Amino acid sequence: GESVGLHLPTLSVQEGDNSIINCAYSNSASDYFIWYKQESGKGPQFIIDIRSNMDKRQGQRVTVLLNKTVKHLSLQIAATQPGDSAVYFCAENSPGAGGTSYGKLTFGQGTILTVHP
Amino acid sequence: DTAVSQTPKYLVTQMGNDKSIKCEQNLGHDTMYWYKQDSKKFLKIMFSYNNKELIINETVPNRFSPKSPDKAHLNLHINSLELGDSAVYFCASSLVQWGRGTEAFFGQGTRLTVV
Repeated sequence: GESVGLHLPTLSVQEGDNSIINCAYSNSASDYFIWYKQESGKGPQFIIDIRSNMDKRQGQRVTVLLNKTVKHLSLQIAATQPGDSAVYFCAENSPGAGGTSYGKLTFGQGTILTVHP
Repeated sequence: DTAVSQTPKYLVTQMGNDKSIKCEQNLGHDTMYWYKQDSKKFLKIMFSYNNKELIINETVPNRFSPKSPDKAHLNLHINSLELGDSAVYFCASSLVQWGRGTEAFFGQGTRLTVV
């Protein structure tokens, strides 16, 4: 299950189960969203992205859902594997000031996913 | 053929010292970033450069000075290191398209420990 508080939210699942990781973003003007996976000792790695004109996008085993009304993003991982164990971050791109293209990528808190064999 | 590489991977130093972290990307991207990840894994942007020009400076103490000699490199120099500077520092790069956000590619991180 999930827990929040002073520590990162955690999600524990059994191998083969589906996982859903949730994220609330802060800026209603954000136009682009990314999910990243960070394994221990490594940098964040891109998983999947979605633009604000879409509400769903599917990858190989992953699906991202975007609900702009409530500023909520979720990542669904099908048939979760032990190799999926990592910290998952959502990130939102806020448009640059004054109409520039230089937006800012802001990261959410992160969720620790643990997959048990 | 590492896309974004940063050195060193680990850096242990005493309070008050000055140190630098180097970053290079071979992706041909226009924009490079420095992020700081604290012990709670929170990732916060520090700086962003586009074609050697500073475009984001997130109220980072002026002890931190980024330098971009060309668009493939963004180094981070830190003066008078403090205990609170201990963290993992990530360099990243992205290809900025007008009006459209794009993904950032991250380096492996530099774990800085100030003792």
